Amino acid sequence: AQTVTQSQPEMSVQEAETVTLSCTYDTSENNYYLFWYKQPPSRQMILVIRQEAYKQQNATENRFSVNFQKAAKSFSLKISDSQLGDTAMYFCAFMRAPDYKLSFGAGTTVTVRA
Amino acid sequence: EAGVAQSPRYKIIEKRQSVAFWCNPISGHATLYWYQQILGQGPKLLIQFQNNGVVDDSQLPKDRFSAERLKGVDSTLKIQPAKLEDSAVYLCASSLDRGTLYEQYFGPGTRLTVT
Repeated sequence: AQTVTQSQPEMSVQEAETVTLSCTYDTSENNYYLFWYKQPPSRQMILVIRQEAYKQQNATENRFSVNFQKAAKSFSLKISDSQLGDTAMYFCAFMRAPDYKLSFGAGTTVTVRA
Repeated sequence: EAGVAQSPRYKIIEKRQSVAFWCNPISGHATLYWYQQILGQGPKLLIQFQNNGVVDDSQLPKDRFSAERLKGVDSTLKIQPAKLEDSAVYLCASSLDRGTLYEQYFGPGTRLTVT
């Protein structure tokens, strides 16, 4: 079974600054995919960014970027130029190719301060 | 494009009662998922449908939980009888198809409180 660990229950960041969320995972698979999801207080979960394990290049989506370290099984999310609307719970998730099941970490609550 | 719809949004029941949740996925989405999200934890997949067939229900407590997806569109998740530990948010998600290329779109969830 795959496990996803998010070691930071809560993070706080000043508006316009940068925050990095950590995520580690455990798997024996070689073909898998990693995701970061955002769940704002309204509770509708949305996809922020995804990374294919076979790609060495780190994924980037506007102000969101990842640092994917395959050997270390680490997948951190960096939010640059934080905005008040970034306040949410962020979940790291793992999916392996054969069964396409998402396994989520426990989440990190990010609060952006004005 | 309309999103994933779920109802009710909130439900409070006593233990040993039964409850049902409804999900209407995005039109044309073949794959539908039910997740259980206990407070302070990430969502856990309960069951996955491909059209009207079950692909994976390995984490569904089948002694009390059941789910169906009639005609490959709407889905209902039922709990009977409910236990205190079933208190959680139940999330429905859908995707165009199975596979890593297809983004899962989540509904707003149903918050269940069992007293």
